[in-house]
Amino acid sequence: NFMLTQPHSVSEFLGKTVTISCTRTSGSIASHFIQWFQQRPGSSPTSLIYENDERSSGVPERFSASIARFSNSASLTISGLRPEDEAVYYCQAYDGVTVVFGGGTKLTVL
Amino acid sequence: QVQLVQSGAEVKKPGASVRVSCKASGYTFTSYDINWVRQATGQGLEWMGWVSPITGATGYAQQFQGRVSLTRDISMTTAYMELSGLTSEDTATYYCVSVNFDNWGQGTLVTVSS
Repeated sequence: NFMLTQPHSVSEFLGKTVTISCTRTSGSIASHFIQWFQQRPGSSPTSLIYENDERSSGVPERFSASIARFSNSASLTISGLRPEDEAVYYCQAYDGVTVVFGGGTKLTVL
Repeated sequence: QVQLVQSGAEVKKPGASVRVSCKASGYTFTSYDINWVRQATGQGLEWMGWVSPITGATGYAQQFQGRVSLTRDISMTTAYMELSGLTSEDTATYYCVSVNFDNWGQGTLVTVSS
């Protein structure tokens, strides 16, 4: 089985751009679709991105994602940071048998 | 709109079992698997397993094999998660998730305490 490794925390200033990484520990990042979730304090997670780079319904264009085979990782990029973007972000993959979540990255908007 | 409404908070003693329900509405219940995910306070998301509403087939995360049972009632458009042999480590918020992980229930806090 594989794991998805995320940085524990990142921080960036209001209005700037931040990227959160998600590295697959074994097997190719391209083998199974990556999905990204946002979880604000006290709320259930919500889907941001599915199938590596497709925005879920209602998600602003400020949120984008991609995968990179050379680093075997996925990335979530948030531009024009707003206070409400402060949350924990999770990546996830489904290998046809099990669902694997990354450990989550807490984003602080300065 | 899609809604997943879960049953209320539970307090259980060690060794007991808990059953959490998840009432689905706003979409065709049999079209999407229902997954269950749990989250201990301040911790990350942990996938538990899935149930196919149309067939009742299930798949479980290895760490929960033999201790979790996922079922559904098509007529009630409701899914159930039962976890047995509870310990304090099972204290967490349990979520049902459907429509390709697009929709999450509000979560059910299960507290295991003597």
